Amino acid sequence: AQSVTQLGSHVSVSEGALVLLRCNYSSSVPPYLFWYVQYPNQGLQLLLKYTTGATLVKGINGFEAEFKKSETSFHLTKPSAHMSDAAEYFCAVSNDYKLSFGAGTTVTVRA
Amino acid sequence: DAGVIQSPRHEVTEMGQEVTLRCKPISGHNSLFWYRQTMMRGLELLIYFNNNVPIDDSGMPEDRFSAKMPNASFSTLKIQPSEPRDSAVYFCASSNGGAGNQPQHFGDGTRLSIL
Repeated sequence: AQSVTQLGSHVSVSEGALVLLRCNYSSSVPPYLFWYVQYPNQGLQLLLKYTTGATLVKGINGFEAEFKKSETSFHLTKPSAHMSDAAEYFCAVSNDYKLSFGAGTTVTVRA
Repeated sequence: DAGVIQSPRHEVTEMGQEVTLRCKPISGHNSLFWYRQTMMRGLELLIYFNNNVPIDDSGMPEDRFSAKMPNASFSTLKIQPSEPRDSAVYFCASSNGGAGNQPQHFGDGTRLSIL
């Protein structure tokens, strides 16, 4: 069985500030981990993924995430928030075809 | 490159009517997924096809829901008869292979409202 917990359903940051979204997972086998972003009235768009290899993964739009096996975490960060980062973010885990999503974190960016 | 294409984008219909949602996956992708998104339950996998064959339909809510994939470039999700509790956003996604390390690519969804 696999599952994802996203800490914090809402995060508010100032423009230019650090964005940190927390994700912890549980998986009985080495997991594949993903972050997706969803803008209003759109589908989910892949930000980045971890499968194997380097534990620090860089994605689109300046986001990155670090896989920490000892902490079963895959937190998403961006050094400097932009207004266009306002969206909902989903962490997901899979070890076969089935993606298990977290509940999502809505990010608002203050000018 | 064209992404996953879903139609219609919005559907409003009355309870008891048949609803058909359509999906065209990314060309060359052999795995297709239907999801439902609601505030209460988040994103739920309804059904997974691999090479046009349904592999996992354990998420289909009940017999009112059915899905088909007659060829590699088209899939439908049908609800008959529809009920107000079916109101949700339905997403189709596709991937290149069914392995867990292949990311799924999502369409923009169909927002379904059953009155």
